[in-house]
Amino acid sequence: AQSVTQLDSQVPVFEEAPVELRCNYSSSVSVYLFWYVQYPNQGLQLLLKYLSGSTLVESINGFEAEFNKSQTSFHLRKPSVHISDTAEYFCAVSDIRNTPLVFGKGTRLSVIA
Amino acid sequence: KAGVTQTPRYLIKTRGQQVTLSCSPISGHRSVSWYQQTPGQGLQFLFEYFSETQRNKGNFPGRFSGRQFSNSRSEMNVSTLELGDSALYLCASSLDIVNTEAFFGQGTRLTVV
Repeated sequence: AQSVTQLDSQVPVFEEAPVELRCNYSSSVSVYLFWYVQYPNQGLQLLLKYLSGSTLVESINGFEAEFNKSQTSFHLRKPSVHISDTAEYFCAVSDIRNTPLVFGKGTRLSVIA
Repeated sequence: KAGVTQTPRYLIKTRGQQVTLSCSPISGHRSVSWYQQTPGQGLQFLFEYFSETQRNKGNFPGRFSGRQFSNSRSEMNVSTLELGDSALYLCASSLDIVNTEAFFGQGTRLTVV
């Protein structure tokens, strides 16, 4: 069975500072990896995804994540955060057998002015 | 194009009652999945439907059931409500069974009193 571990439940960071949200997964087969963001009282929005190919994937709002197969990780990074990035971030995994998404417990990112 | 629509957004029910939640996927999407989100357990998979057939089911009691109609709209039902069923219920739609991109609705917040 697959699993996802998000190592930090809360990450406070000052505005314009860099941030890394950590995600490790476990799976016996090739995976698809996702980062979703959830704002208060909202559903989940897909931030970025890794399906195959380049291990570095980017979002339109400056986030990036790198798939590292040897370390079974898919950490999310942003070089300079904004107040508007305050939200909860979820890492999720599926696989080539098209199993349902399995989510981590989430990381609450708080950007401090 | 319109996103995933979940109705109602908020619901208050009494223990022992039953409830039906609705999800209209993005036009053209044939796969619908349901998730339960709680502070303690995070996001947990309930079930997935594709072309009116349940393709996957999570580890929830039989009180939780669902169905999908020929127009891909889906409903989930919870009978004999318990206090622990209080949660945000999220619906996600995908173009097909390949979980390469799932779009989430804003959710239905169910409170059981």
